Amino acid sequence: QLLASGGSLVQPGGSLRLSCTASGFTFSSYAMSWVRQAPGKGLEWVSSMSGGGGSEDYADSVRGRFAISRDNSKSTLYLQMNSLRAEDTATYYCAKDPNKYPNYGWFDPWGQGTLVTVSS
Amino acid sequence: DIQLTQSPSSLSASVGDRVTITCRASQSISSYLNWYQQKPGKAPNLLIYGASNLKSGAPSRFSGSGYGTDFTLTITNLQPEDFAAYYCQHSFSFPYSFGQGTKLEI
Repeated sequence: QLLASGGSLVQPGGSLRLSCTASGFTFSSYAMSWVRQAPGKGLEWVSSMSGGGGSEDYADSVRGRFAISRDNSKSTLYLQMNSLRAEDTATYYCAKDPNKYPNYGWFDPWGQGTLVTVSS
Repeated sequence: DIQLTQSPSSLSASVGDRVTITCRASQSISSYLNWYQQKPGKAPNLLIYGASNLKSGAPSRFSGSGYGTDFTLTITNLQPEDFAAYYCQHSFSFPYSFGQGTKLEI
């Protein structure tokens, strides 16, 4: 099970940290990812991180502004979001990969999502 | 970057129908193609992984096929609970991407 939290209303240029707490599996053995969905729009992959935390990647739209991290001792995935823009407004989902490294995998299961609204 | 083009973007069907959704990749992605179902207000749910592997517990009326650049999701004997949005997604290389989605309506 994955439980995402931390979403809220934030002003443009602001920062926010999302969390995703996992249970029911050995968290450190699996890569994890963030995927977002703007209101009424499709799905967009945001970032992925390997189980040990040593490998990560980002969509071009967030590279340099967002940072993914994880605390395996707390079974928690994070997404630090800085320099937020209106176009970052979306529901953010965390999802589990089937392998330790995020290659050639899929997303299952997904957390319930947490809404981030960037507006003045 | 690899682009995925899904068609159609919307589809009307009836209970009991057979429908097919296609997903075309801008370059070969081998069999690294996954399908998800999303109902309104809910998180997406994995249906098919690796182009043709049905997720454990998913109904057998869902099937996937394809390799390289052309893929299909087929739903036979449509049930009321199948009316939802469907997305394809590749995991061949970063950045991952999703198709734009297909909304299946009654």
